[in-house]
Formats: sequence, C-alpha cells, structure tokens
Amino acid sequence: DVKVTQSSRYLVKRTGEKVFLECVQDMDHENMFWYRQDPGLGLRLIYFSYDVKMKEKGDIPEGYSVSREKKERFSLILESASTNQTSMYLCASSSDGDSHRGYEQYFGPGTRLTVT
Amino acid sequence: DQQVKQNSPSLSVQEGRISILNCDYTNSMFDYFLWYKKYPAEGPTFLISISSIKDKNEDGRFTVFLNKSAKHLSLHIVPSQPGDSAVYFCAASRGAGNTPLVFGKGTRLSVIA
Repeated sequence: DVKVTQSSRYLVKRTGEKVFLECVQDMDHENMFWYRQDPGLGLRLIYFSYDVKMKEKGDIPEGYSVSREKKERFSLILESASTNQTSMYLCASSSDGDSHRGYEQYFGPGTRLTVT
Repeated sequence: DQQVKQNSPSLSVQEGRISILNCDYTNSMFDYFLWYKKYPAEGPTFLISISSIKDKNEDGRFTVFLNKSAKHLSLHIVPSQPGDSAVYFCAASRGAGNTPLVFGKGTRLSVIA
C-alpha cells in the first residue's frame, strides 16, 4: 500500500514566520507534488519535482519554495507566511513508467495551515 | 485558462438513485483521465480512470464514460449511497507520470437518505 505522510495535520503560524511543510512517501516514487486546495478553486499546483534536487514551478509558485534532497522527501517552504496562504496543503507522489498506473497520484492526508 | 472544467459546483441525489458528475476538457493532448474523491480533512483518493483509447470503464458501482469528440467525460454512480457524499475531482494527464495532472475545481455530491 502506498503511503504518503505529511508532518502535521493542523498548523497555526503568525504572519512573517517561516513555515516548513514536510512530505514523505514510502513507494520509491520518482515524482512528488505540492498542491493547495481552497473552496471554489479546486486543487492548484504549487511546485513539483521529478527527481532528487530537481524542481519545477506549478501554477502558483509565488511565495513558496521547495526542497528535495532525498527521493522520499519533498518539503514546501513558506519563506514569510501571509494570511492569504491560509489553506489546505496536499502532497502527492507518482511513479514514472509506461503503464497507466504511473499516471495516478497518491495523496497525503493534507495539512490545514492557518496564518494569523 | 481552465483546461479541465467541472461546471456543477454541487449536486444532490436521493439514496439509491444515479449520480452523474460531468467534466469537460479543452486540451486534445490529454490521453488519460482520472476521478478522485475527497472527504473533508482528508487527501483525495483515486476512484477510477479511463484511457483515451476507451470510451467506458466500469468498477463496481462506478462507471466513467469518455466522449473524445465532445471532450467530455462523466462519472456515474449507481446506486448512490450516503457514504458517496464527498467532493469529486476530475483530472487529466497528457504524458507520463512526471507530468502533473490537471484538476477541475470539483463537484460536491450530497446523497440524501
């Protein structure tokens, strides 16, 4: 069974703080993703990584950075948290491969971040 | 520009009846489509998928239909159960696993007992 874990389920931070969200997957997946989910806006891609030390911007990268030093771990960093970054953050992973199973992304439980 | 659209934000269905959730896409390069289900305070879970070379895929109570000419897919749930109440996301892929999925905004399904 694929397992994607996220370091916190709920987090409350103050404006201006640096925030780290950690994600770990145990299936040796090559690809990892960070999304945020907001009501009425669906899932929006922040950053993704298809290999260690590689990263690509998604649709809304502003105000965020990422780090992938090990294959199983993908971190999302909010350099200076702002109230408009209050959201549900979701991490996902997927494998490469030529089978359609490789297209499926597996999600973690999410981190509900509140910035006050 | 939204490439995957779910035009109904919400849907209410009586228990035992059919639920039909719709999804439209604009990018003809998409070759694989997936449906995810999401409960509050949980991550989305994969439900069912379909390749662009097929027009139907069935898994128990869930069937996905794909109409490539109309760039439209739909998810049918028969019979609907109260536990099906969740947000359903349609997603599309245009390549291998390292190409991000493109998600719709979701449809909230409420199944009323």
